[in-house]
Amino acid sequence: DTGVSQDPRHKITKRGQNVTFRCDPISEHNRLYWYRQTLGQGPEFLTYFQNEAQLEKSRLLSDRFSAERPKGSFSTLEIQRTEQGDSAMYLCASSLPAGINNEQFFGPGTRLTVL
Amino acid sequence: ELKVEQNPLFLSMQEGKNYTIYCNYSTTSDRLYWYRQDPGKSLESLFVLLSNGAVKQEGRLMASLDTKARLSTLHITAAVHDLSATYFCAVEDNQFYFGTGTSLTVIP
Repeated sequence: DTGVSQDPRHKITKRGQNVTFRCDPISEHNRLYWYRQTLGQGPEFLTYFQNEAQLEKSRLLSDRFSAERPKGSFSTLEIQRTEQGDSAMYLCASSLPAGINNEQFFGPGTRLTVL
Repeated sequence: ELKVEQNPLFLSMQEGKNYTIYCNYSTTSDRLYWYRQDPGKSLESLFVLLSNGAVKQEGRLMASLDTKARLSTLHITAAVHDLSATYFCAVEDNQFYFGTGTSLTVIP
């Protein structure tokens, strides 16, 4: 399968715990994006990487959120001290190197439930 | 702050009918993307519109872009049940900004 993959697909955690999600992009894509989507809303941008460099981070992202892409391939998104408001679908997308067409291809998402 | 507004938010239409979904945005970007999302699933890319006047068609769906009006449309022709889904437009302006989506239900 050459699409974007995410792991885990579902995560249930208790408030205050830390969670980490993984995203593996399409192999030739050097751009990787993280989004959060809540019910009835469109995806909300969190951050994106070009290779291993984190180029932009949403102002909405609190200090409890951190993302890494250490070798320019897979990426991890960590949420520390989770809160109930963090419950959402976390989507990862990847795209080819920046150019005219930056079409993004999305993974299946990780659904987080914070109890 | 950049805004992307879609209307309608909910659309129920009969099979065989035509309808248009509108996407208005508040930036001068000329890059707009349409995605489809089925319940509980991720997003599937439908169209990439990269210039003023761009028109793309795939099956019963046709998308267009008017950058001067900051408007994109997704036109549905002779709707069928399989088109039932939520449709998002997204504007690229350094990052991607998504609309709130249009939930389409096609009734037999």
